[in-house]
Amino acid sequence: GAVVSQHPSWVICKSGTSVKIECRSLDFQATTMFWYRQFPKQSLMLMATSNEGSKATYEQGVEKDKFLINHASLTLSTLTVTSAHPEDSSFYICSARDPLSANYGYTFGSGTRLTVV
Amino acid sequence: AQTVTQSQPEMSVQEAETVTLSCTYDTSESDYYLFWYKQPPSRQMILVIRQEAYKQQNATENRFSVNFQKAAKSFSLKISDSQLGDAAMYFCASDSNYQLIWGAGTKLIIKP
Repeated sequence: GAVVSQHPSWVICKSGTSVKIECRSLDFQATTMFWYRQFPKQSLMLMATSNEGSKATYEQGVEKDKFLINHASLTLSTLTVTSAHPEDSSFYICSARDPLSANYGYTFGSGTRLTVV
Repeated sequence: AQTVTQSQPEMSVQEAETVTLSCTYDTSESDYYLFWYKQPPSRQMILVIRQEAYKQQNATENRFSVNFQKAAKSFSLKISDSQLGDAAMYFCASDSNYQLIWGAGTKLIIKP
């Protein structure tokens, strides 16, 4: 089945630094990937839709300059949290859909727990 | 706007018993998919079951089944013979135009 690999699984960074999170589709080509943020005991909040070879589409209220998304290939999307601050601490999850799969559905990465100190 | 509502923040069930999690949704689309995802303490999102809106037959995956009422826009999940490993957050989601709309989630507790 479709597998999405997300790294790192957790990261601690100092306030003011940038952190990059990678999301890879291992056995399929994903023209579209999705980035979510999840606060404790809450549902997933869509941050942006990442499209291969074009600019990401950000949801209302998400700062484009703070959360940089690059989808340079059909198997890799990255989310860079720039000038991170403690309020950016959260759980970030990526997701992708295999467009060629007979079983329609979305596969999720294992998530990244970001802690900004 | 599309919405998904899970009205049960938390549910508990005795091991080996059956539990039903509720979900209602609202969409103007005629063709869409509905999903139940499980998120255990590891926080990995796992697909439990999917339902295609144009199919009248309720989807079933082993101990998991759904009661899909299209006219009522209801999509409940029934878990039979509950096991300790079923303890998790369960999220209902709808999909049209290739974007998932999520419910708030239901925390399922399994009592041994």
